[in-house]
Amino acid sequence: NAGVTQTPKFRILKIGQSMTLQCTQDMNHNYMYWYRQDPGMGLKLIYYSVGAGITDKGEVPNGYNVSRSTTEDFPLRLELAAPSQTSVYFCASSPRAGGELFFGEGSRLTVL
Amino acid sequence: QKEVEQNSGPLSVPEGAIASLNCTYSDRGSQSFFWYRQYSGKSPELIMFIYSNGDKEDGRFTAQLNKASQYVSLLIRDSQPSDSATYLCAVNEGGGSEKLVFGKGTKLTVNP
Repeated sequence: NAGVTQTPKFRILKIGQSMTLQCTQDMNHNYMYWYRQDPGMGLKLIYYSVGAGITDKGEVPNGYNVSRSTTEDFPLRLELAAPSQTSVYFCASSPRAGGELFFGEGSRLTVL
Repeated sequence: QKEVEQNSGPLSVPEGAIASLNCTYSDRGSQSFFWYRQYSGKSPELIMFIYSNGDKEDGRFTAQLNKASQYVSLLIRDSQPSDSATYLCAVNEGGGSEKLVFGKGTKLTVNP
């Protein structure tokens, strides 16, 4: 079972560039999430979705955008990358509201 | 802002000992509580969840919940070097929220 798949695993961006982190899940979960993790800071919620066509902001949404056109896919878009966006990004899905999260392997992004 | 606090650690225990990890949360409406284990450079993986007051045991792991004190803990019995990881406490926001709030994590080292 693939579960939650994220790509790319590693990426280096220059300041001002844009990119999209891809996330797809094959568990038919309605709930999907994007978190970022900085050293010693735990996981911070960027955006989440409760189903296709519905997205909402989390705790740290500035500088990011998302879309949810299908149940399976939840891409995260970084516009005008800044050094503050250097982090590890995790996509996760859940079968229920506020339920257990299943995480992808993460995407390590460096902005120079 | 909903908060989840964990004992800051790092925590070091000898092999075979009991490791005790603690977590407090601010939202009295929270209903779901999770413990994740995260090895260095890897994604979080769910090890325990608890919804009701009291204890829940799964192998060497016991989760304890006290909603009146807004406190949840994780005990690891017969600790093994393979248990060395960062443990993340996560709590759902109250009111049926779709979101989980994570603590910053406690790093556990089990010494052979």
